[in-house]
Amino acid sequence: DAGVTQSPTHLIKTRGQQVTLRCSPKSGHDTVSWYQQALGQGPQFIFQYYEEEERQRGNFPDRFSGHQFPNYSSELNVNALLLGDSALYLCASSWRTGSTEAFFGQGTRLTVV
Amino acid sequence: AQSVTQLDSHVSVSEGTPVLLRCNYSSSYSPSLFWYVQHPNKGLQLLLKYTSAATLVKGINGFEAEFKKSETSFHLTKPSAHMSDAAEYFCVVSDASGTYKYIFGTGTRLKVLA
Repeated sequence: DAGVTQSPTHLIKTRGQQVTLRCSPKSGHDTVSWYQQALGQGPQFIFQYYEEEERQRGNFPDRFSGHQFPNYSSELNVNALLLGDSALYLCASSWRTGSTEAFFGQGTRLTVV
Repeated sequence: AQSVTQLDSHVSVSEGTPVLLRCNYSSSYSPSLFWYVQHPNKGLQLLLKYTSAATLVKGINGFEAEFKKSETSFHLTKPSAHMSDAAEYFCVVSDASGTYKYIFGTGTRLKVLA
């Protein structure tokens, strides 16, 4: 079992650009959540996808958007990047009707310059 | 609304001595509570979870936590610290209103002295 996989592991972008991060959930999981972890902080919930729809959203601007595909994988898109978007982005997968436990990927380290 | 407060941002212990990382929670529902560990430049690893079964929860690597409803606490303990325990620890409450989003504390950095 590959667990939760995220790509890329690191990337550097310029202010104003757009970025797409990818996540493949753990086998058997149907729900994907995204979190932003700024340096020295705890992860903050961005949004959650289930059945290809955004089900709940945290306090993030519309520049942050996502998508879930029929195979349950997910993308996080961030437009008009700001320096403050520099963070570790974590993907977590879970089984909607099962345990509350979520499994996390290793994260994507985004640096905006 | 759910929230967690980790009472110490940094904790230092000597190797072989007990570890105590403190966490208080607030929840409108019967909460699910977790402790995760994050080693430098790594993702999050689940240490243990409480989901309304036994109040004393045993996790991996010798860690355990006790759910105390009267004190709204879920403190993490380990009898004897090891150098490899040095990491960031997060207390987490799950929003059980239907979406199971996680609400993280601000973290406690554990330093283990030789």
